[in-house]
This record gives sequence, structure tokens and C-alpha cells, in this order.
Amino acid sequence: QVQLVQSGAEVKKPGASVKVSCKASGYTFTSYGISWVRQAPGQGLEWMGWISAYNGNTNYAQKLQGRVTMTTDTSTSTAYMELRSLRSDDTAVYYCARTEYSSSWYRFDYWGQGTLVTVSS
Amino acid sequence: DIQMTQSPSSLSASVGDRVTITCRASQSISSYLNWYQQKPGKAPKLLIYAASSLQSGVPSRFSGSGSGTDFTLTISSLQPEDFATYYCQQSYSTLLFTFGPGTKVDIK
Repeated sequence: QVQLVQSGAEVKKPGASVKVSCKASGYTFTSYGISWVRQAPGQGLEWMGWISAYNGNTNYAQKLQGRVTMTTDTSTSTAYMELRSLRSDDTAVYYCARTEYSSSWYRFDYWGQGTLVTVSS
Repeated sequence: DIQMTQSPSSLSASVGDRVTITCRASQSISSYLNWYQQKPGKAPKLLIYAASSLQSGVPSRFSGSGSGTDFTLTISSLQPEDFATYYCQQSYSTLLFTFGPGTKVDIK
């Protein structure tokens, strides 16, 4: 069965960086993309970006350009999201989601369990 | 950027009620619209993709409709496990996705 298992909770100081991992299993990793979505406490879902596990192409949300980097390691079927220059408003649960696409739709059909990142001095 | 709005922001309903949630895009997105359900402390779950296609394993009481700028998620007979927050998401902008602000459905 398809599973996305994320790394554990992190506590970081303002200005630091965090790298969250998302290990995929149960499907051919390079046949899909991975999107990252975050959710601040009590707030809605915010799409952060997408990476193709096939060729590493990325697309990031404009507000995070320059602070976020998404990568994959196909040898371990793992996706990574690194966020730099952390601020208090980056405190959120971060999710990875398998992204499937066809000629007429995209969908986030499987999600990781979420990783809480807390930014606090 | 394409902006998404949802109405209502919250609603109270009873088991067995028919519930309708609306999502509107700031420009035409054809049928590039997905719906997700999220329960507290859990990851979102895909319900509907391409505006009206039911994701595998999702009960048939969930349905989606619409195209262009206006979309609807309908729950034909609300069940206890359906109390959750529902989000729409556009995928028209190639690989630039946007979620709506969410609609919380709680018990009347």
C-alpha cells in the first residue's frame, strides 16, 4: 500500500533552517511528483511547492521563493523540504503529498502524517 | 495568481442533512478543481478530483459539480464521520496550486 512517512517534530530558533523528509513506499517513486503543504496552527492549507521525482524539476510558491528548496533521493525514495531563515510565522505542520497528474487533472492522492515545526526563541 | 473563496466558512448540520459547500475561483479554471476533507490532527484526504470524479474508496454520498469559476461539493446525507473541514484546491495554474480557506462542518 502507498505510504508516505515523514520525519519527526522539530524545534528551531528564528533564523535557523529545517529539513523535513518524506519517505515513500508502495509505488514507483519516480512516476509521481511530491508536493509540500503546510498548515499553521488553527489555519488553512498553504501549498509550498512541488518537485518531480522523475527529473527533479521544481516549482515553488512565490512567497517562499529563495527560502525553500525541495529535493529527492531516488535511491531511497525520499523527498526533502528545506526551509531557511525561519521566522515565528513558519511554525506549522508540514505535509508531503504524492502528486499525480494527467492531461486533464492533478491530484494529491496520498499524504504523509505531518511534521510539526516550531520556531521559537 | 488564482484566488479561491469558499462559502460558507462554517455550517452546522444534523446527521442525515444534505450539505452543500461552494467554491469560487477568481478566474476560469475549467474543471481543475479538487476537494479534500480534513479532520482535527489528521492529514487531508482527497474526496473529489477534476471537479466531479470521486476518488477511489470515497463514499458515494459525496459528489462534486461545476466548471469555470463556480463549484459545489455536496454531501447527500451527512454521517457522523463527515464532521470535518473541507477545502477546495485549484490545479489549473500548471504546478501552482491554491487552496480555498476551508469550510468547517460541525454538529447542530
